[in-house]
Amino acid sequence: EPEVTQTPSHQVTQMGQEVILRCVPISNHLYFYWYRQILGQKVEFLVSFYNNEISEKSEIFDDQFSVERPDGSNFTLKIRSTKLEDSAMYFCASLTGTSSEAFFGQGTRLTVV
Amino acid sequence: AQSVTQLDSHVSVSEGTPVLLRCNYSSSYSPSLFWYVQHPNKGLQLLLKYTSAATLVKGINGFEAEFKKSETSFHLTKPSAHMSDAAEYFCVVSRSYNTDKLIFGTGTRLQVFP
Repeated sequence: EPEVTQTPSHQVTQMGQEVILRCVPISNHLYFYWYRQILGQKVEFLVSFYNNEISEKSEIFDDQFSVERPDGSNFTLKIRSTKLEDSAMYFCASLTGTSSEAFFGQGTRLTVV
Repeated sequence: AQSVTQLDSHVSVSEGTPVLLRCNYSSSYSPSLFWYVQHPNKGLQLLLKYTSAATLVKGINGFEAEFKKSETSFHLTKPSAHMSDAAEYFCVVSRSYNTDKLIFGTGTRLQVFP
């Protein structure tokens, strides 16, 4: 069964460092998303991406964040200068657009120290 | 604006007994509603979805949910719990078009005792 894969599963980084979280969506999917879940809180929408551009972003997704689909298969989330409060589980999701079923990856746990 | 409220953060049941996980929603639009499940160290998996067709929705693993507009509820049920059902369950709402972002509830952790 096709699945969304995320790497790494866990990343520890120092405050102020840049991190890139990677996702490989399902191959025939056209819409891509990042969500995050801070420990003990609800899953929150960050950004949606379609046709090589951002279609919607939340208030959380400020200038420190960026997304890219560099090669037609990977979908990345970059945080330029990490803060302690960026520590969270980050989920990538994709869907075809003809169905509303979003497929999620297993998540990347980001710990900023 | 849209939101969901999951009324219980934890639910404990014995194996073989019914499961009820409660969810109320608020939406300015005709909503789509979903239940997702997350097992430890796994991604979020879709259990079932309501998208304005039948109000009683059947999902995977014997789960079902009923959309009740008058009560703004979308409770998840299963007649008989199995040990493998132990997981975190999320009620989710979006606007009615397929590609809209998902708005998650806070989650309900289901424990199943032997």
